[in-house]
Amino acid sequence: AAGVIQSPRHLIKEKRETATLKCYPIPRHDTVYWYQQGPGQDPQFLISFYEKMQSDKGSIPDRFSAQQFSDYHSELNMSSLELGDSALYFCASSPRGGEQFFGPGTRLTVL
Amino acid sequence: QKEVEQNSGPLSVPEGAIASLNCTYSDRGSQSFFWYRQYSGKSPELIMSIYSNGDKEDGRFTAQLNKASQYVSLLIRDSQPSDSATYLCAVTGRGYQKVTFGTGTKLQVIP
Repeated sequence: AAGVIQSPRHLIKEKRETATLKCYPIPRHDTVYWYQQGPGQDPQFLISFYEKMQSDKGSIPDRFSAQQFSDYHSELNMSSLELGDSALYFCASSPRGGEQFFGPGTRLTVL
Repeated sequence: QKEVEQNSGPLSVPEGAIASLNCTYSDRGSQSFFWYRQYSGKSPELIMSIYSNGDKEDGRFTAQLNKASQYVSLLIRDSQPSDSATYLCAVTGRGYQKVTFGTGTKLQVIP
């Protein structure tokens, strides 16, 4: 069965640089979620999209933005990167109101 | 008070025993309840979902929900060393959008 695809899987950036993470949901899933997970922490909800519109917003910094495109893939754009942004970033997808399935994650390291 | 609470553990059980994981949540309007398993450095994997009061069994796993007590649990029968992981309780509110995770319980199954 198809799963959520995330790219890149690993990303190394310098402070103050910009990063773009991509997420391709499971086919026919119309909702995408982004989470940030720091070492030893639970996943923190950042933002979600349903049918290409932002549906909910969590603890996403103003330096971050995201969108969902017509093919339902989503991108998380992160600017002015800080050391504290180093984390695993997960994308999850679901059909409306259904169970969320997580992608493998992108490990972002900010040096 | 965190919205979803779990004992962080570690919870150690011998191989073949029953592991019991507990979770409480604060929002009485919560609609859906999930248990995810997460191995270190990997993405959360959905293992159980439960939506109504009572028990739900799937193989060696049983989820129990008590909405009056705002309590959800996961029982793992015949625990195996491969079950050693962090188990995340997750809850959605009205609208089925944002999932709020607990901090996770680390389970160690001792051979």
